[in-house]
Formats: sequence, structure tokens, C-alpha cells
Amino acid sequence: RKEVEQDPGPFNVPEGATVAFNCTYSNSASQSFFWYRQDCRKEPKLLMSVYSSGNEDGRFTAQLNRASQYISLLIRDSKLSDSATYLCVANTNAGKSTFGDGTTLTVKP
Amino acid sequence: EAQVTQNPRYLITVTGKKLTVTCSQNMNHEYMSWYRQDPGLGLRQIYYSMNVEVTDKGDVPEGYKVSRKEKRNFPLILESPSPNQTSLYFCAGGQAWDSPLHFGNGTRLTVT
Repeated sequence: RKEVEQDPGPFNVPEGATVAFNCTYSNSASQSFFWYRQDCRKEPKLLMSVYSSGNEDGRFTAQLNRASQYISLLIRDSKLSDSATYLCVANTNAGKSTFGDGTTLTVKP
Repeated sequence: EAQVTQNPRYLITVTGKKLTVTCSQNMNHEYMSWYRQDPGLGLRQIYYSMNVEVTDKGDVPEGYKVSRKEKRNFPLILESPSPNQTSLYFCAGGQAWDSPLHFGNGTRLTVT
């Protein structure tokens, strides 16, 4: 079993839809979490940090549930420009970072 | 502007010919890390460095070496490349292990 598991996708949604991605992590030593966005095999770029208290940035909301060991990303009012692969990552304080395999989102007109 | 620079962007080489992929950051960040990305497998950590002279193995370190003699540079060394090391490689840097990462543009390596 992978240390970080993501929804396999792909997600194909119409513009304006709300879409949610989940990641579960198995390493209980994981302490910091992020969502990244990656376009067409380019470098990943930070989308959001993830906190237990929740984190909102415009149309994006990220949440961490430490008890259940999962993180989530909610995208509201999807835009065509949101089409990308979304990667979650869990980091331990020893420096180890483990990414999920990514979930591909395609937003259609 | 925060920047992580990798070179080269593209590299085709033959089995067994030693190569180095350079990575440099201009952010005075303590943490740096190398990843490889293969279709369907996501980003896998090869090696990471919490600070100068401190390096540790990630999930897939076999066949790779790194060094961190100075804060800004973190080269990835393949002493004897093999075809299974054909991949897309990313270097990344962050202020600390729990900080967001800035990624380089990637190095697409083909070993024949």
C-alpha cells in the first residue's frame, strides 16, 4: 500500500462545478501537508498549505483531518484554467516528503 | 525572485556513462530535495538535505548520489546510469522541511 493515496481520477467536470479531491496518508509521523498543481509535466507549483483548522484561498479550500489521516481539496466554481494535475504531499520532520500519484482534473466548457 | 535552477533540461546518455545534474537555489533555503517522476508513479523522493553537509536517502536512492557542500547547490550524480533511470527529475528547495517547496524546471533524462 502506498504511503499517500490519492483519488485515481481523472475528473471531468463542467465549468462552474464544485469538485473535491482526497488524499489519505499512512505515516503517522507526517506533520506538514500541501497541495501542488502540475501542468503537463512541468514543475509542480504550490497551491495551498493544509492545516487542521482549514485553509481557504478564493475558490480553493483545503482541510486536514489528523485523526482519520486524510487531507482534502475543494474547488468551487471550476474554471477552464483549473485543468491540471493536483498533487498532495505529506512531510515528516525527518525531511521525508511523500507525494500522491496525482489526480487529473479536466474542466470543460 | 525565488528560483531553483536545474541543468541540463534535456539529457540523452548511454548506459554506464557518469553524469551530474546540477541544482542551484538563490533563496538561502536550508532544505533541498530531488525527485523523479514516472508515468503513473507520481513524484518519488530520491535524496534530500536538511542543511549543508546533511543528506539522507528518500524512497528511491539506489543508483544515485548527492552532495551538499554549500547551501545553494545540491547536485544529483548518477555514477553508472542504467535505462531504468530514464525519467523526469525535479530538484526542489524550501526554507525548512515543513515549508512549501520551489521546484526547478525539471531535467528529462534518457539512458539508452
